[in-house]
Parts: sequence; C-alpha cells; structure tokens
Amino acid sequence: EVQLVQSGAEVKKPGEPLKISCKASGYSFSNQWIGWVRQMPGKGLEWMGIIFPGDSDTRYSPSFQGHVTISADKSIGAAYLQWRSLKASDTAMYYCARSRGNFWNGYYTPYYFDSWGQGTLVTVSS
Amino acid sequence: QSALTQPASVSGSPGQSITISCTGTSNDIGAYNFVSWYQHHPGKAPKLIIYEVTNRPSGVPDRFSGSKSGNTASLTISGLQAEDEADYYCSSYAITSTLFGGGTKLTVL
Repeated sequence: EVQLVQSGAEVKKPGEPLKISCKASGYSFSNQWIGWVRQMPGKGLEWMGIIFPGDSDTRYSPSFQGHVTISADKSIGAAYLQWRSLKASDTAMYYCARSRGNFWNGYYTPYYFDSWGQGTLVTVSS
Repeated sequence: QSALTQPASVSGSPGQSITISCTGTSNDIGAYNFVSWYQHHPGKAPKLIIYEVTNRPSGVPDRFSGSKSGNTASLTISGLQAEDEADYYCSSYAITSTLFGGGTKLTVL
C-alpha cells in the first residue's frame, strides 16, 4: 500500500526558513515522480512542482519557481519542500503526492497525483 | 498561466445526476488528453477520481465519469449520494506546468 506521511504543522515568523517533509513507503520511491500542492485558506489547489528522486530532475510551476525548493533523498524515501525566507502569504496547507502520467511524443509525462499525504499546515505570522 | 475555469458551485438531489465543467484553452485541455479530476472533502487529503479524461482508478465507483470536447472537460456524477458532497477540482497538463481549476463545491440537497 502506498503511504505518504508528512511532517507536522508549523508556526513560523516572517523571514524564517522552513523545510517540511514527506516520507514515502509502499512503492519504488526512486522511480516515480513526487510533488507538492498548495491550498491557501479558503482557496483552491495549486500545482507547485514535482521531482524525480532517481536523478533529482525537478519541474516547477512558473508561479513558484524561485520561491521554494523541492528536493528528495532517495536513500530514505523522503521528499522536501523548503523556503529560505517565509512570508505571511505562504500560510497554507501543503500536500505531497505521488505523480503519475503517460507517454506523449515519446516522453513520459507526469501530470496527475494518485496518492496523497495528509497535508502539512504552515502558518506564518508575526 | 491561468487556472482552469470551473463553476463555483453545483447542487443536486440524491439519485440525480450533475455535471461539472472545466474550461481551459488550446494550450492545455485542448492540446492533451491529460485531464484529471479530484474529490476533496474538507480536512482530508484530495482523492483522484478520474485521469486521462475518462479513466477511473481502482475503487472509484462507475457513477463518476469524465469526458472532453475541445477546450472543455466535464465530470458527471450519476446517482448522487450524500457522501458525494465535496469540492471537486479538474486539472490539466499544460507543457510547462500542470494546472488546477478553481474548484466546484457540490451540495447534495
């Protein structure tokens, strides 16, 4: 059974750094894409980016490129989402999820999330 | 890139059918058959219910079905049940990213 277990809720001040985690089990972590989705309070889901742990190939949404860093440690089966300097507008629920897809023009294209973590609530407030 | 466009809310009575639309552009929904749908009960993790426009993951009832025409994808739920009350999100591949719709709140009357 695929399981994604995320780290606990965080309360931080603006300007502080943060790294949240997502521990995967039940499948070959190195060989499947995994990503992050944001849900701000009262708002919808937003695709942030995905990473292939096998070679750390990472793809970001233009909206999040440069604002967060997605990484993975294949030796322990964990993915991470990191901020260098948090803002109040980063307050949100963050979900990790395994990304799957299909081939298009000869390339494997991950585009949907079939298994999700329970979410990590990040609150940024002075 | 803009989010895909969904109605903010839909409603239906138990046993009825409802359809949720999801409108994109020729650069996302219109270009690829890489459309997915998610069911999200508040406080829980989202759940994949449709992928590749029409495919249902194992365990998802066949009351849920997907379709696409041009730049618009649709999710139909037939035989509405109380537990279907949730938020529903469409999603589409868009070459540089993957887009979500704004979400539709389904109320079962």
